[in-house]
Amino acid sequence: GESVGLHLPTLSVQEGDNSIINCAYSNSASDYFIWYKQESGKGPQFIIDIRSNMDKRQGQRVTVLLNKTVKHLSLQIAATQPGDSAVYFCAENRGNTPLVFGKGTRLSVIA
Amino acid sequence: DAGITQSPRHKVTETGTPVTLRCHQTENHRYMYWYRQDPGHGLRLIHYSYGVKDTDKGEVSDGYSVSRSKTEDFLLTLESATSSQTSVYFCAISEVRSDQPQHFGDGTRLSIL
Repeated sequence: GESVGLHLPTLSVQEGDNSIINCAYSNSASDYFIWYKQESGKGPQFIIDIRSNMDKRQGQRVTVLLNKTVKHLSLQIAATQPGDSAVYFCAENRGNTPLVFGKGTRLSVIA
Repeated sequence: DAGITQSPRHKVTETGTPVTLRCHQTENHRYMYWYRQDPGHGLRLIHYSYGVKDTDKGEVSDGYSVSRSKTEDFLLTLESATSSQTSVYFCAISEVRSDQPQHFGDGTRLSIL
């Protein structure tokens, strides 16, 4: 619910603009990454994933970029819409263990 | 949506009482997970299961126990609830442990007074 968004960094974007949400990871052995979207009162929803043998992957209106050199992951949302307002967080695979999740970024779309 | 049902969706209880949360899946996935989500911490893994009767601890397992007697059901129990366990609890499922996405239920909001 609303408590998910407290204490999170916030990105405010004008409707129609592109959004870029960033995620840093620390484990150079991580080889699989996922972006999730979480709307208020709901569980996290899978958006897109990428494996370490790729630098870029595109979905519908979303693109994930992976920079293994600086251990950085980004999610780009094209033509941001009010329905994109949510908390977004990344997850990484640190070897043969369950996924590890980041704390998230709140995206706020200004109409 | 992945076939994951969490029950109850909301619960208020008192310190010291036992609480059991249920996660039910219809996907026949091998792995099931329990997380808690708190402001400033994101999702933290409590316990997970990799098969019937096979479970392992996560990062915040103290005060929690789990059981999985059937593929489709994963129970989380707070033997004696404390106020620090007030949180939103999410169940997730996946086919494999680490290189495929997990899919989540809609959570249980638990308040311990």
